[in-house]
Amino acid sequence: EVQLVESGGGVVRPGGSLRLSCAASGFTFDDNGMSWVRQVPGKGLEWVSGIKWDGSSTGYADSVKGRFTISRDNAKNILFLQMNSLRAEDTALYYCGRGGYNYNSRRGSPRRGSYTDVWGKGTTVTVSS
Amino acid sequence: DIQMTQSPSALSASVGDRVSITCRASQNIDSFLNWYQQKPGKAPNLLIHTASSLQSGVPSRFSGSGSGTDFTLTISSLQPEDFATYYCQQSYSTLALTFGGGTKVEIK
Repeated sequence: EVQLVESGGGVVRPGGSLRLSCAASGFTFDDNGMSWVRQVPGKGLEWVSGIKWDGSSTGYADSVKGRFTISRDNAKNILFLQMNSLRAEDTALYYCGRGGYNYNSRRGSPRRGSYTDVWGKGTTVTVSS
Repeated sequence: DIQMTQSPSALSASVGDRVSITCRASQNIDSFLNWYQQKPGKAPNLLIHTASSLQSGVPSRFSGSGSGTDFTLTISSLQPEDFATYYCQQSYSTLALTFGGGTKVEIK
């Protein structure tokens, strides 16, 4: 069964750090780009970050750029999101997804058209003093 | 970043109705547009990618159309299980794949 399971969420004070993990199973992890999407309760979806299948290219929403770092361990089939300098507005449910990241090839040509076809159930991050 | 605007933000419809949701991009995105359905307490579910390609396992009453800046998701005959929130997402940018604000489809 194709599955993504997030973990690592919790309550953290403003300015603190948290590392989210996403364990993948049931598919060839290192064949796929991966991404993180978050959702404030009762609000819409926000794309947060994405990473190419080999980890050589990453992207971030402006709202998290410079504070969050996405990475992956293809040997262990795990996706990570390191979140530093957390703010109250980062409070949300964080979903891990298969796909959902476009990138530029080595020659500079864009690889567009990605979509997220497998989602985890999410892990909740609460930033509060 | 490319901005995505959905309309309406909410609509009421009856079972059997034909429902259309529109999504407008702030710039040309060719056909790089995805649609997702989300039910309360659940993760989103991919319905359509690349503007009109139906994802495997999704009922054929769902269809997508459009290119450039204007796109439409149509449900040909609304079923009870279709009451949910629908999101568009542009997949043109290599910077960020932005979502629309969502359209909540409610029972009339």
